[in-house]
Amino acid sequence: EVELVESGGTLVQPGGSLRLSCAASGFTFSNYAMTWVRQAPGKGLDWVSAIGADGSNRYYADSVRGRFTISRDNSRDTLWLQMNSLRAEDTAIYYCVRKPSGLDWFDTWGQGTLVTVSS
Amino acid sequence: QSALTQPASVSGSPGQSITISCTGTSSDVGAYNFVSWYQQHPGTAPKLMIFDVVNRPSGVSSRFSGSKSGNTASLTISGLQAEDEADYYCCSLRTGITWVFGGGTKVTVL
Repeated sequence: EVELVESGGTLVQPGGSLRLSCAASGFTFSNYAMTWVRQAPGKGLDWVSAIGADGSNRYYADSVRGRFTISRDNSRDTLWLQMNSLRAEDTAIYYCVRKPSGLDWFDTWGQGTLVTVSS
Repeated sequence: QSALTQPASVSGSPGQSITISCTGTSSDVGAYNFVSWYQQHPGTAPKLMIFDVVNRPSGVSSRFSGSKSGNTASLTISGLQAEDEADYYCCSLRTGITWVFGGGTKVTVL
């Protein structure tokens, strides 16, 4: 069974840093691009970042570029999102999402991890 | 990055058909046939319902269909059922290799 399990979400102060992790199983992780999508409480979906299957190409939303870094380790079937200079508006559930390489849809979603930025 | 425009809510009676619109620009919806749709029930993760404008993943009911004209994509749910009550989001590739979601539409089955 294909599964994505996020971890690392917690309460953090404005200006702080946090690293989210996503453990993948049930599929050949190195064959797929991966993305992070977030959802603020009671709000809609917001694409955050994507990384190619081999990790060589990375893409970011304007709202996080320069503050967030996406990375992956295909030997450990793991995806990360390093978040720095966090702001209150970054408060959201962060979903780890699988994206078939070369295609433009998101076919498998994790259950999400909650990041709260507040003093 | 402005979101795609969706109606906040759409409702219908069981058995009826409803259509949700998703309006973008010539830099996203109008530029590519890469619109996808996601269903989200409260407290759960989104689920892919339609990809590449018109295609359904395996296991998704044929009552769900997609289309596009110009800068506007649409999701139609025919034979509306109680289980279809959920939030629906469209998504499109945008020029510059980013992705943009719609603001979401709450579907209510009366």
